[in-house]
Amino acid sequence: TQLLEQSPQFLSIQEGENLTVYCNSSSVFSSLQWYRQEPGEGPVLLVTVVTGGEVKKLKRLTFQFGDARKDSSLHITAAQPGDTGLYLCAVKAGRSGGGADGLTFGKGTHLIIQP
Amino acid sequence: DSGVTQTPKHLITATGQRVTLRCSPRSGDLSVYWYQQSLDQGLQFLIQYYNGEERAKGNILERFSAQQFPDLHSELNLSSLELGDSALYFCASSGTPGSSSYEQYFGPGTRLTVT
Repeated sequence: TQLLEQSPQFLSIQEGENLTVYCNSSSVFSSLQWYRQEPGEGPVLLVTVVTGGEVKKLKRLTFQFGDARKDSSLHITAAQPGDTGLYLCAVKAGRSGGGADGLTFGKGTHLIIQP
Repeated sequence: DSGVTQTPKHLITATGQRVTLRCSPRSGDLSVYWYQQSLDQGLQFLIQYYNGEERAKGNILERFSAQQFPDLHSELNLSSLELGDSALYFCASSGTPGSSSYEQYFGPGTRLTVT
């Protein structure tokens, strides 16, 4: 069983459309991160959310952490071809604090924005 | 550019062989993490080193080992290679003294193909 379930697995939409992808779990987390990975490159951190109900915006990307801190969503407004990539959510794998442990990732959403 | 470097970029080898992957963390980062990314398993945490010492272990096989040297670069050794070890191997670093978050910065990865 995956700790983090991401949906949808694949999404292909036209430029200019809006979309939402999800990261769900039955566990509670102190914080959650979203990464974007482009082909041939390593993941790049987009945002860290730490408070239940928190909403963070990064240009056209809006991230929300669920009230119960078990899930998160990423909404993209007016998607552009440059948004194409693999979107991954992640949480700390271990229980020790201070960022000492590796990350557990969901399997990601493969997003393609067609011109 | 994340500041994390990995060599080699590509590696092709035969089953049963042994290879070494190398990683140099961002300047000042004390923690190095190794991850494996495959199509079926996704991105999985293998092991973390902090300032030369092993700090956390994930899903690392006994055939795999790692170390972090006094200059903080790290090597991941993979032995008795099997076809299923073919994957992307990423190194990440974090832990700049004084940093308040657990952001990890990923290198570009090494693509290992076992034939």
